[in-house]
Amino acid sequence: DQQVKQNSPSLSVQEGRISILNCDYTNSMFDYFLWYKKYPAEGPTFLISISSIKDKNEDGRFTVFLNKSAKHLSLHIVPSQPGDSAVYFCAASVKHTGNQFYFGTGTSLTVIP
Amino acid sequence: GAVVSQHPSRVICKSGTSVKIECRSLDFQATTMFWYRQFPKKSLMLMATSNEGSKATYEQGVEKDKFLINHASLTLSTLTVTSAHPEDSSFYICSARVSIYPPYNEQFFGPGTRLTVL
Repeated sequence: DQQVKQNSPSLSVQEGRISILNCDYTNSMFDYFLWYKKYPAEGPTFLISISSIKDKNEDGRFTVFLNKSAKHLSLHIVPSQPGDSAVYFCAASVKHTGNQFYFGTGTSLTVIP
Repeated sequence: GAVVSQHPSRVICKSGTSVKIECRSLDFQATTMFWYRQFPKKSLMLMATSNEGSKATYEQGVEKDKFLINHASLTLSTLTVTSAHPEDSSFYICSARVSIYPPYNEQFFGPGTRLTVL
């Protein structure tokens, strides 16, 4: 059963605009969430994370928002750049149990120049 | 820091043969490494957790006799796909948990290995 879901398989955004990628989870025990970026035939690279004690974490152009009551998190990229085109995975874990990461199915972002 | 390498990046083998994939942490020691498998347009599925000096912990549905994992040192874990069949063709990715670099307790991923079994 997929505990972490990304319902949008793809997203296209104009360069300079905001990209919003969404992720939903079902396990209320998850307390640590991450976003990874992946290019074809490469391993994922870490982007940004957020602990459940926060509802927002910002790092440069990337901001992650967490809504625990809705079991929903989102990644905002602003302004979007063509180099941001990649597949984005969200992941969730229960931090104190050893950090098994549960990944979503990914959203392919295309930033149009 | 926190660089993870995998070798080979791509391998093609005949059905029935065994293939070994190496995962190395280049600039840090990783007590825990993870092995994932990714099918096309699918999520990363955790196969097993590899702890240095002890037996790997396999996820439900993963055959431990088929996917042999050895974590012999703090910088090297290997995954051996034994008697490979075409259905084992996939993209295999390892990750290593870093506990000394922020964000602490993070996993850093290798570039992956594309296995094709003919």
